[in-house]
Amino acid sequence: DVKVTQSSRYLVKRTGEKVFLECVQDMDHENMFWYRQDPGLGLRLIYFSYDVKMKEKGDIPEGYSVSREKKERFSLILESASTNQTSMYLCASSFGQGDGYTFGSGTRLTVV
Amino acid sequence: GENVEQHPSTLSVQEGDSAVIKCTYSDSASNYFPWYKQELGKGPQLIIDIRSNVGEKKDQRIAVTLNKTAKHFSLHITETQPEDSAVYFCAASRGSWGKLQFGAGTQVVVTP
Repeated sequence: DVKVTQSSRYLVKRTGEKVFLECVQDMDHENMFWYRQDPGLGLRLIYFSYDVKMKEKGDIPEGYSVSREKKERFSLILESASTNQTSMYLCASSFGQGDGYTFGSGTRLTVV
Repeated sequence: GENVEQHPSTLSVQEGDSAVIKCTYSDSASNYFPWYKQELGKGPQLIIDIRSNVGEKKDQRIAVTLNKTAKHFSLHITETQPEDSAVYFCAASRGSWGKLQFGAGTQVVVTP
């Protein structure tokens, strides 16, 4: 069964910490995405990548960075976590343009 | 950029009744419209999608309709069952790197 795996289901971090959220897909997909999900706001795109070492800003990139050193792995980095980054983070991948996404199960991050 | 609006935000139906969720989009160049179902504690899962060259698509109890002129599309669930209870998201894409713009989501509750 094809999968997108997010390394942690729940994380609690302190304000100012550097936080890494990891995502791995086993489908040889070209595109990978990071979204955050907040009640009433739906899914908002943070960053996406359409190739190894490539990255593009989404709608809300401030306070985040990403890394894609290998095709199957896409990491989201919070350089200095803040309480307003408390959220559910969802990773997704897709094969090509105009294809549906496969999502991971999400990481619920709490910043205290 | 693309803006997707989704209504209603919550929908309560009796088991066996039909449920309809409606979305509108702003970018007339959008050509791919998927629907996702998110169960509690899980990531969204693609349940059905439609492309702009098709007006309607069905898969068992679910169907999606698209009106390109009015720029709206709808999800129809017939003979609802308790396992249909979930959050449903619509999305739209113009195919550029597969970037999807999501609606805010609809919480569907099916009561026995």
